[in-house]
Amino acid sequence: DAGITQSPRHKVTETGTPVTLRCHQTENHRYMYWYRQDPGHGLRLIHYSYGVKDTDKGEVSDGYSVSRSKTEDFLLTLESATSSQTSVYFCAISEGWTGGNEQYFGPGTRLTVT
Amino acid sequence: GQSLEQPSEVTAVEGAIVQINCTYQTSGFYGLSWYQQHDGGAPTFLSYNALDGLEETGRFSSFLSRSDSYGYLLLQELQMKDSASYFCAVSHDPDNYGQNFVFGPGTRLSVLP
Repeated sequence: DAGITQSPRHKVTETGTPVTLRCHQTENHRYMYWYRQDPGHGLRLIHYSYGVKDTDKGEVSDGYSVSRSKTEDFLLTLESATSSQTSVYFCAISEGWTGGNEQYFGPGTRLTVT
Repeated sequence: GQSLEQPSEVTAVEGAIVQINCTYQTSGFYGLSWYQQHDGGAPTFLSYNALDGLEETGRFSSFLSRSDSYGYLLLQELQMKDSASYFCAVSHDPDNYGQNFVFGPGTRLSVLP
């Protein structure tokens, strides 16, 4: 299994509070991704990174920001959490560009915003 | 816009063959991937097609027709452990569309004894 962890695994927070989720990898892969998964929507890409300090927006980036100061860590921040951000968040990594390279997913973080 | 369609549910019996279809509408299509996800687990990669035709990996095969914007995942000799959700996903031309990687809504496969 690819060395990828997420923390926390579960979190309950209140509307309006900031939340940061962490993804840590030990594979030295260049690409890292944050997805959210909601019933009926599959996985939707929030942001991705193609190198240290190199990030870009995905399909559903509004309300989220990311940072990558080290190869191994990719942080997802909800500046002011809303109930619509209640979801399961998955981090993924890939060695190369997605087209021909499989993505390895972390175990997920279940976030509940009350 | 971009859209992918998959059947929401499929049911089959152990030992049978099942096909899960995926149709897509997207600009800058590059390739089609398939992922498996068991309840409560993380998605895991199954296969990838960039060219037309069939790719075989053990009991699983994946097919792509670029001209029809269509692909399918074929699972043979079904086992109970194959009960899971299956997602197709489209990757795009990185020069013009970045890393935008779009998943379908998923197909829940139930394998009955």
